[in-house]
Amino acid sequence: GAVVSQHPSRVICKSGTSVKIECRSLDFQATTMFWYRQFPKKSLMLMATSNEGSKATYEQGVEKDKFLINHASLTLSTLTVTSAHPEDSSFYICSARAGTGAQPQHFGDGTRLSIL
Amino acid sequence: QQQVKQSPQSLIVQKGGISIINCAYENTAFDYFPWYQQFPGKGPALLIAIRPDVSEKKEGRFTISFNKSAKQFSLHIMDSQPGDSATYFCAASPQGRFGAGTRLTVKP
Repeated sequence: GAVVSQHPSRVICKSGTSVKIECRSLDFQATTMFWYRQFPKKSLMLMATSNEGSKATYEQGVEKDKFLINHASLTLSTLTVTSAHPEDSSFYICSARAGTGAQPQHFGDGTRLSIL
Repeated sequence: QQQVKQSPQSLIVQKGGISIINCAYENTAFDYFPWYQQFPGKGPALLIAIRPDVSEKKEGRFTISFNKSAKQFSLHIMDSQPGDSATYFCAASPQGRFGAGTRLTVKP
């Protein structure tokens, strides 16, 4: 149980393109979803937290107009990287959590984004 | 952003040995402390977790020790195996904060 599916697993696109990444909880309702960015051999850097039906809460330094997050249902959240540039190339990982804070986060397998 | 400090950065252990990874936190609002295991190219997978009202939790070869007064917690991997070689992250919730990670290598 507690499966999170993230799609696509890898995307390569040209600079200036907008890219959408989907995160789905397959067998549970995700009250909260998290989006992380991970650089090679580094930790997971929290970008934003979203609760279903509410606006996402972005971490300091993360551009909300650049990284659009939508959490429209209890099973789906999307991250759209708008007008992507090479510096946006990274490994993006989502996680989903049912209920309140004292619950585990379940992670997707990440999306490798490469901007040419 | 890092509100959870993790050490060591890397760890090499012989097969059958004990691996110990430590974490410290600052925010007393944290109420859930999980450990995750991550293999290259994959998302983290939950290994074991503890709540602050418990001082120790054991699941198989994995044990979390929690010291609320010191705001520290640690992961012990008993009888470490080469298959345990991965990166381990401690975390603290509800904010979903991660430590810097520990790259564990278990030598056969």
